[in-house]
Amino acid sequence: ETGVTQTPRHLVMGMTNKKSLKCEQHLGHNAMYWYKQSAKKPLELMFVYNFKEQTENNSVPSRFSPECPNSSHLFLHLHTLQPEDSALYLCASSRPRDRVLAGANVLTFGAGSRLTVL
Amino acid sequence: EDKVVQSPLSLVVHEGDTVTLNCSYEVTNFRSLLWYKQEKKAPTFLFMLTSSGIEKKSGRLSSILDKKELFSILNITATQTGDSAVYLCAVEDFTGTASKLTFGTGTRLQVTL
Repeated sequence: ETGVTQTPRHLVMGMTNKKSLKCEQHLGHNAMYWYKQSAKKPLELMFVYNFKEQTENNSVPSRFSPECPNSSHLFLHLHTLQPEDSALYLCASSRPRDRVLAGANVLTFGAGSRLTVL
Repeated sequence: EDKVVQSPLSLVVHEGDTVTLNCSYEVTNFRSLLWYKQEKKAPTFLFMLTSSGIEKKSGRLSSILDKKELFSILNITATQTGDSAVYLCAVEDFTGTASKLTFGTGTRLQVTL
């Protein structure tokens, strides 16, 4: 257990479904992230929240909609996805991202949600 | 644009061998380089390197950074089957107000009996 919990671990959905991924951290961190991991590609940063405010959206299609109600919880709402969106979605948390000392960006990852879009 | 290149992409070794994994990078405002180990689950943090020439060590794993040549290596001695994983390298770009991590594609290591 890393202290970052993701649910569900596996999800299969059709292109017209609406589903959500959930992430919860018990580390007292203030920054939370969504990453997409596809086969043979680097981890792709999708969204960043710092103290509940979205600070980064890496040109992610609008069919992915994040929500961060507080510093401990992060959601990724999924709607009308495409088969190429099938991937492992990793949530991570860290200390606040504007800290001067190195180490603020040591991410703690969850185990991921494996998404398959049919 | 920041860039991280890891090599080799994959390798297979026998238990007991020593392996060296490479990570080269280009980053605008370098602050740190991080190594993670990913088995079939969450990537777990191994090392953070900020200064050249200072070796970080944890058991059979060690890592060193060369900021002049822009690379890092991760060494694993006396490999065990439990070392089988994808090893990820990431560099941190820090502008003074926010930091950003760029990951490489990873090196897949398989340790066989």
